[in-house]
Amino acid sequence: KAGVTQTPRYLIKTRGQQVTLSCSPISGHRSVSWYQQTPGQGLQFLFEYFSETQRNKGNFPGRFSGRQFSNSRSEMNVSTLELGDSALYLCASRPTGQETQYFGPGTRLLVL
Amino acid sequence: AQSVTQLDSHVSVSEGTPVLLRCNYSSSYSPSLFWYVQHPNKGLQLLLKYTSAATLVKGINGFEAEFKKSETSFHLTKPSAHMSDAAEYFCVATTGTASKLTFGTGTRLQVTL
Repeated sequence: KAGVTQTPRYLIKTRGQQVTLSCSPISGHRSVSWYQQTPGQGLQFLFEYFSETQRNKGNFPGRFSGRQFSNSRSEMNVSTLELGDSALYLCASRPTGQETQYFGPGTRLLVL
Repeated sequence: AQSVTQLDSHVSVSEGTPVLLRCNYSSSYSPSLFWYVQHPNKGLQLLLKYTSAATLVKGINGFEAEFKKSETSFHLTKPSAHMSDAAEYFCVATTGTASKLTFGTGTRLQVTL
């Protein structure tokens, strides 16, 4: 099976812009979670989607949002970008009823 | 609430010598515990997981970890380090079927000749 894929892999934006990141989970996985990784804060949970519904949310401002489509693909949107949003954004999927999450390679976002 | 503490931010070993990466957890419930590895500019790869079936868990690439409830520890070991093991290692916890993972701060493993 193909692994979790994320596009784009690298992105450069300027402050105030918005950005959309995409994640395609492993075939058959209906749960998709997003994480932010920064040198200062480490890995932090953003949110989880399951069957097109947000099921869990971390402590991030409302500028961070997401959605999931009927084919389980997920997108994450960040509006009004700030310098501190520069990070590696990781997506992970997991099979229903199981705890193990499988991570994609990440999208590295640089905000200038 | 749960938390994960990785006791060393950086570990350096010589190739061929044992590896020990330490992890302690705190959880109100019986946690599931994982070790993931991240090579530079890559995503996280699952090394092994503990889900209460057996306290000694074997993973990929010769790694193993032992769950010790009395010590609330889940240390990662490998008998003989290889250069390709150089990476960042994360100890991770979750409870029940919750998808919200709690990560340790990571341990950077350096392997020298």
